[in-house]
Amino acid sequence: KQEVTQIPAALSVPEGENLVLNCSFTDSAIYNLQWFRQDPGKGLTSLLLIQSSQREQTSGRLNASLDKSSGRSTLYIAASQPGDSATYLCAVRQLGYAGNNRKLIWGLGTSLAVNP
Amino acid sequence: SQTIHQWPATLVQPVGSPLSLECTVEGTSNPNLYWYRQAAGRGLQLLFYSVGIGQISSEVPQNLSASRPQDRQFILSSKKLLLSDSGFYLCAWSEGDGSPLHFGNGTRLTVT
Repeated sequence: KQEVTQIPAALSVPEGENLVLNCSFTDSAIYNLQWFRQDPGKGLTSLLLIQSSQREQTSGRLNASLDKSSGRSTLYIAASQPGDSATYLCAVRQLGYAGNNRKLIWGLGTSLAVNP
Repeated sequence: SQTIHQWPATLVQPVGSPLSLECTVEGTSNPNLYWYRQAAGRGLQLLFYSVGIGQISSEVPQNLSASRPQDRQFILSSKKLLLSDSGFYLCAWSEGDGSPLHFGNGTRLTVT
């Protein structure tokens, strides 16, 4: 059974620091992996999606990597800003037939605070 | 560009009352549609998903139901709310399993 873990649950850093958020999964047979951001009381915003055949994806100051063999993905945030403060969630889509056989398994997220 | 609208943003309902939450997507056709519930410390729970009009799959047995009367409209309903139905409900859409999942702003439901 696929399990997705995000450690640490909370992180506080000073502004300007480069930081890495971690996402671990137990079953390497995945279809893709997504990173999301959630501001308090709001919906989730899709940040990056990495297909199983890819090793990394980049968007602005964000870079997500995927290592299926080790069951790990990292989200790298360069030059962090107070506006980056939010909860970051990763979700793994499992292999399977099209439709809900390719289930999304969610981590509980890392709550990030970037202090000015 | 595609947008997703979900309403209302907040809702307070007494136990035993009915529920209707609505979600619409613009700028795409035949999207996959999802209803999730998010509880503190428990992550996101998939409630329903739909790959087309009238095609609804339920993930969790409960007193909730979903309908998709139009291609880009997804409705979450209940005939009689329970206290345990309180939570943050999120609608989402995607073009397929290989595409990103996009969420609405959510509905905070409090059952009293």
